[in-house]
Amino acid sequence: DQQVKQNSPSLSVQEGRISILNCDYTNSMFDYFLWYKKYPAEGPTFLISISSIKDKNEDGRFTVFLNKSAKHLSLHIVPSQPGDSAVYFCAASGWESTSGTYKYIFGTGTRLKVLA
Amino acid sequence: NAGVTQTPKFRILKIGQSMTLQCTQDMNHNYMYWYRQDPGMGLKLIYYSVGAGITDKGEVPNGYNVSRSTTEDFPLRLELAAPSQTSVYFCASSATEISYEQYFGPGTRLTVT
Repeated sequence: DQQVKQNSPSLSVQEGRISILNCDYTNSMFDYFLWYKKYPAEGPTFLISISSIKDKNEDGRFTVFLNKSAKHLSLHIVPSQPGDSAVYFCAASGWESTSGTYKYIFGTGTRLKVLA
Repeated sequence: NAGVTQTPKFRILKIGQSMTLQCTQDMNHNYMYWYRQDPGMGLKLIYYSVGAGITDKGEVPNGYNVSRSTTEDFPLRLELAAPSQTSVYFCASSATEISYEQYFGPGTRLTVT
């Protein structure tokens, strides 16, 4: 049961245009959401995050939008640059009271290719 | 400032062998984590630690053991390696609560044959 889903395995965008990466989650317990970027043969690096009490967070060219009613978040990159080509993972975190455990769940990733 | 370091980078094990994946962080973070990433999948949490002497299971702990005797080190032990443990293993750390951003090491690619 995949609780955090990234339904697009890959995305190609022209340099200078907007990249939009999407992520859906199923469990209402998640209250903090993050995006990570991963280059080949490296570990993921943190990009941007958003708390469930907000619907938007912006950091330079990167903006994350959260729609709690739809259980959906998206990452917008404007303008896209060739150096943004990487795999992007969304992650959701929260305390699961039924199991008494902390959950930090990653999506399966979207490979973004920015074409020069 | 090296951040999170992992050794080895690559390893091939035979079925039934054991090994320890090393992880060290120099950021004085209390929280540390071990993940595995299988091809085409997201990262799955194996174990985590909220401080020296305290560890807890994540989503996929079976076949692994951890210990945390110091703030800096969080080794992951594989006993009786199985082909299903072929994966890329990432160690991470964070300064604050588990919710927030984590800093990852470069990963260890493990193959069990």
